[in-house]
Amino acid sequence: AQTVTQSQPEMSVQEAETVTLSCTYDTSESNYYLFWYKQPPSRQMILVIRQEAYKQQNATENRFSVNFQKAAKSFSLKISDSQLGDTAMYFCAFMKLPGGGADGLTFGKGTHLIIQP
Amino acid sequence: DAGITQSPRHKVTETGTPVTLRCHQTENHRYMYWYRQDPGHGLRLIHYSYGVKDTDKGEVSDGYSVSRSKTEDFLLTLESATSSQTSVYFCAISPRGLEDTQYFGPGTRLTVL
Repeated sequence: AQTVTQSQPEMSVQEAETVTLSCTYDTSESNYYLFWYKQPPSRQMILVIRQEAYKQQNATENRFSVNFQKAAKSFSLKISDSQLGDTAMYFCAFMKLPGGGADGLTFGKGTHLIIQP
Repeated sequence: DAGITQSPRHKVTETGTPVTLRCHQTENHRYMYWYRQDPGHGLRLIHYSYGVKDTDKGEVSDGYSVSRSKTEDFLLTLESATSSQTSVYFCAISPRGLEDTQYFGPGTRLTVL
């Protein structure tokens, strides 16, 4: 079984600052996907970014980038130029391959990110 | 926007009553999922479907059943609701198969008194 750990229950930064959210995972699988999802107060779960384990290059999506360290089983999310709209719960999630959705995503407990004006 | 709607968005019910939650998608995706989210946790898989009338159990399936008679609708039923089933329920789809990114609906908050 896989486990996903987010060690920062809550973080607070000023608008326009850069913030890094941590995620570590434990698995014996060699192939998998990792995700970051954002859940704002509206409750909607929104995909932020996806990383394929077989890719060495770190994924980026506009202001969002990851630092994927496969050997260390670490998958952190960096948000640059943070905005008030980034205030949300952020969940790290793991999907093993093969099997994928049949086992469901394994989620961490989340980090509550607050962007202060 | 993954083209997923869930109904109802909020529901309060009493212990022992049956409850059905509906997930509707407009894109004809084959794979659909039901998750629950509880305080301090991420989401946990209840059931998933890989086609019309094809479903399978997830991690926390006890007390839940599902049905999929049409591609666009995936129903989650609590036959006799219990207080432990108070939760937020999310439906999801994965457009390109079982090993693809999952996109979530807006969620249904269910309270069982």
